[in-house]
Order: sequence, then C-alpha cells, then structure tokens
Amino acid sequence: TQLLEQSPQFLSIQEGENLTVYCNSSSVFSSLQWYRQEPGEGPVLLVTVVTGGEVKKLKRLTFQFGDARKDSSLHITAAQPGDTGLYLCAGPRDTGRRALTFGSGTRLQVQP
Amino acid sequence: DTGVSQNPRHKITKRGQNVTFRCDPISEHNRLYWYRQTLGQGPEFLTYFQNEAQLEKSRLLSDRFSAERPKGSFSTLEIQRTEQGDSAMYLCASKAGEYEAFFGQGTRLTVV
Repeated sequence: TQLLEQSPQFLSIQEGENLTVYCNSSSVFSSLQWYRQEPGEGPVLLVTVVTGGEVKKLKRLTFQFGDARKDSSLHITAAQPGDTGLYLCAGPRDTGRRALTFGSGTRLQVQP
Repeated sequence: DTGVSQNPRHKITKRGQNVTFRCDPISEHNRLYWYRQTLGQGPEFLTYFQNEAQLEKSRLLSDRFSAERPKGSFSTLEIQRTEQGDSAMYLCASKAGEYEAFFGQGTRLTVV
C-alpha cells in the first residue's frame, strides 16, 4: 500500500516567516502533486513534479522532488495570510488508473 | 464557469435515508473520479470512470454506495441507508491528460 506522510500536521506562523512542509513515502512515485485546499472547497492543484531532483518555483513557493522520487517538500518564503490553507501532497495510485493517493495534509495558518 | 460542478453543496439527512449527489465534469474530460474526505484527512479514492465505464472501485465503496456515469458525461453517487459514519465531504474530480485533476467544490454530507 502506498502511503504519503506529511509533516508537520499543523503550522501556525506570523506573516513574513518562511516555512517548509514535507511529504514522505517508502514507495517510489512516478510523480507527485501539491494541492491547496481552503475550508469548504475542493483541492486546487499547485504543481506537479515528475523528475527526481526537480525543483519548481511558483512565486514564493518552491517545490522539490527527492532524487529517489520518494519524497517532496514545499517551501514558502515570506508567508502571507492568503497562504493559509490545507496543503496536500498526492501521487498516482499503483493501480494504473491514475487515481490519486493523498497525504493527510499540513494545515497552515499565517497570522497577520 | 467551465470547472467541475457538484450539487448539492451541502446535504443534511437522517440516518437510514438515501442520498444522491451529482457531478458535472469539465466537458472534454473523459476521466472522472469520486473521493471522500473526512475532517483532518486527505481525500480518499472511491471510484473511477473512463467515459461511461466504471473501471475501478475502492474497498471503501461498500454495497450501500453506487455510482453511475450513464452517458459518459455527468455522474451520480448514491448512498443508501445512510449511517453517521458516512458524514464527510464527497469530492468529484475530472481529468483529460496524464497528471492534472480538477476538483469540484464538493458536497458536504451530514448524517444526523
């Protein structure tokens, strides 16, 4: 069974601080995705990483895929209150149907 | 709005009643997924359609759950004889390509 473990589960920081959240697995994934979800809404895709060691930047967000494709990280620089939300990592299930298996998420709160 | 649409957004039902949710995917997307998300967890895969064919069902999908996609367009998820443990957010997602899945806003089910 492919499991994705995210840490930390909760993070409360002040506006302007930097933070990193992690997504780890004992399984190799062909790709990993990061989503952000706000209360009462569906997840919204932020990025897909495909190649081991890949780094992608989305404004103040930097995503990295581990060399062995078993882990990923999301780094946010100078966090803003608008970054508040649930950050989920997800990877394709090994059934070949391209459904996703999700981590349990990191709930981020950025205080103004 | 050409995104994934789910109805209703919220449903409160008494234990033992049947409920049905609808998902309208992005029109050109042939793949459709249903997920369930409980509080504090990431979404869990329930079932997958490619066009009108239901190609995969999770073990989470008990006999009380049934899903259809009769014409390969919209999909319905029915829960019979609801139980309190069915209370969750039910999410629908659609995709056309290899990676990116677009999620609807979800249907929040509360069984009282």
